[in-house]
Amino acid sequence: EPEVTQTPSHQVTQMGQEVILRCVPISNHLYFYWYRQILGQKVEFLVSFYNNEISEKSEIFDDQFSVERPDGSNFTLKIRSTKLEDSAMYFCASKDSFYEQYFGPGTRLTVT
Amino acid sequence: LAKTTQPISMDSYEGQEVNITCSHNNIATNDYITWYQQFPSQGPRFIIQGYKTKVTNEVASLFIPADRKSSTLSLPRVSLSDTAVYYCLVGDMKGGFQKLVFGTGTRLLVSP
Repeated sequence: EPEVTQTPSHQVTQMGQEVILRCVPISNHLYFYWYRQILGQKVEFLVSFYNNEISEKSEIFDDQFSVERPDGSNFTLKIRSTKLEDSAMYFCASKDSFYEQYFGPGTRLTVT
Repeated sequence: LAKTTQPISMDSYEGQEVNITCSHNNIATNDYITWYQQFPSQGPRFIIQGYKTKVTNEVASLFIPADRKSSTLSLPRVSLSDTAVYYCLVGDMKGGFQKLVFGTGTRLLVSP
């Protein structure tokens, strides 16, 4: 069964540093998403991406965040200057024209 | 997006049937009811989706009464590996960009 993959599985960074989280969505999918989950809390929507542009973003997704699909296979989330409160699991998801979103295994981001 | 209410936690034993009920009083005409499952440190995984009456797949059944103000996820003969958080989501899932809005979910603990 095809699956969404994410790298790295765990990223440790210092406050103020830039991080890029990478995702490879399922190959024929058209819609891409990033979610995050702070430890012990709900899964929160960050951003959706379609046709090479952002279709919706949440209040969390401020100017420090950006997304890109640089090469037709990867989908990246960049945090320009990380803060302690950015520590969370970040999940990438993708879907085709149907309703089911497929989630990746997540990247645990730890900001120290 | 309609707000959902579900129990915070449930306990069961191996081999029993588990029914998790979700209340969604403000469900809209175009809304579907979708359930996701999440294991610790993993991304959510789609279980089942329905609009009305009953839907069954290889892992679960979803019962939706005529007024659609609630729904029940039924897991037959649970095993230890069904221990997870189960999320009920309501929304117009046919939209291409549809983001998922997760609540706190129901934490199911299956014991031997």
